[in-house]
Amino acid sequence: ELKVEQNPLFLSMQEGKNYTIYCNYSTTSDRLYWYRQDPGKSLESLFVLLSNGAVKQEGRLMASLDTKARLSTLHITAAVHDLSATYFCAVAPINTDKLIFGTGTRLQVFP
Amino acid sequence: DAGITQSPRHKVTETGTPVTLRCHQTENHRYMYWYRQDPGHGLRLIHYSYGVKDTDKGEVSDGYSVSRSKTEDFLLTLESATSSQTSVYFCAIGGRQSSSYNEQFFGPGTRLTVL
Repeated sequence: ELKVEQNPLFLSMQEGKNYTIYCNYSTTSDRLYWYRQDPGKSLESLFVLLSNGAVKQEGRLMASLDTKARLSTLHITAAVHDLSATYFCAVAPINTDKLIFGTGTRLQVFP
Repeated sequence: DAGITQSPRHKVTETGTPVTLRCHQTENHRYMYWYRQDPGHGLRLIHYSYGVKDTDKGEVSDGYSVSRSKTEDFLLTLESATSSQTSVYFCAIGGRQSSSYNEQFFGPGTRLTVL
């Protein structure tokens, strides 16, 4: 069974601190996606990681992909309240056009 | 937004009634998807389409059917709604036509409550 596991599921962090969200998956894949969802809203695409060793950065968020370890990380630097949201990783198994989503990490940033 | 609309945005219905949700895109993407989102499960794929009249099942397809008669429209039908189908439904579009290989873009969602 294909599995995508995120941890932690819930993260409460203070403004200014750093933290990492992990995404492990059980299938062979060369494409991994990170999405953000605000409460009651749709999903917004953050990063598309297409190859082993890929690293993408946008503001205080940086995502990386290790296809050999089947692991992606989303690193948060100097968190601010505006980053409070739920973050999902999604994996596209090889030779498919489907995405398998993780259960999400709910991030709460407090002063 | 990537030119995706969903209708209705909210619906309350009774067990046993048929329900059809519509997804409309203006982006001419080949692939369209229907997901449901439930607490603790993330998003789960119900059905997807890879072209007009070409559809396939996802991981939670039981109780749902789909149709795609035009590139821009993808319909999701609950033939006889049950309370377990209470959920938020998202439509997504994507395809191998950009540098972001099969990146999916999501619609605003439909909140369905089955009483």
